[in-house]
Amino acid sequence: AQSVTQLDSQVPVFEEAPVELRCNYSSSVSVYLFWYVQYPNQGLQLLLKYLSGSTLVKGINGFEAEFNKSQTSFHLRKPSVHISDTAEYFCAVSADSGGSNYKLTFGKGTLLTVNP
Amino acid sequence: NAGVTQTPKFRILKIGQSMTLQCAQDMNHNYMYWYRQDPGMGLKLIYYSVGAGITDKGEVPNGYNVSRSTTEDFPLRLELAAPSQTSVYFCASSLTGQGRSPLHFGNGTRLTVT
Repeated sequence: AQSVTQLDSQVPVFEEAPVELRCNYSSSVSVYLFWYVQYPNQGLQLLLKYLSGSTLVKGINGFEAEFNKSQTSFHLRKPSVHISDTAEYFCAVSADSGGSNYKLTFGKGTLLTVNP
Repeated sequence: NAGVTQTPKFRILKIGQSMTLQCAQDMNHNYMYWYRQDPGMGLKLIYYSVGAGITDKGEVPNGYNVSRSTTEDFPLRLELAAPSQTSVYFCASSLTGQGRSPLHFGNGTRLTVT
């Protein structure tokens, strides 16, 4: 069975500083990886995804993530954050649980707070 | 396109009452899902559907029921509400199975059971 660990439950940063939100996963099979963002009182929306190919994935709003198979990580980064990036970020892993049935597992989320 | 629409946005129930959370999507997606979100716990899958007439249990189905009579609609029924069902409920849809297709989420229903 797969699992997802988001190593930080809260990350406070100042505006224009760089940020990295960490995500590690465990799975015995190949995976697809996602980052979702949830702004206050809204549903989740897709930030970026890794399905195959280049391990560096670029998403919306200037975010990017790098898939590292040897370290089973998919950390999210942004070189310079804005106040509007304040939100909760969820890492998610999808893996074949058998018979081409894919199971999607979410991490517990990281609350990014950008301070002026 | 409206995407995924959930109603109501908020609801307070007394213990033992029942209600239906509505979910509709206009993207012609085959796959639909119900999740609950509790603080610090991420999202847990309650039920999902791979097409009209086909539903299956997720991780935490107890106390809930679903139906999928059309591609567009996927209501979630709570029978005999309990305080443990206080949560934020999200409906989502995807074009194909969860493997490669990202999920499109509604804005959620915040339910309090007292």
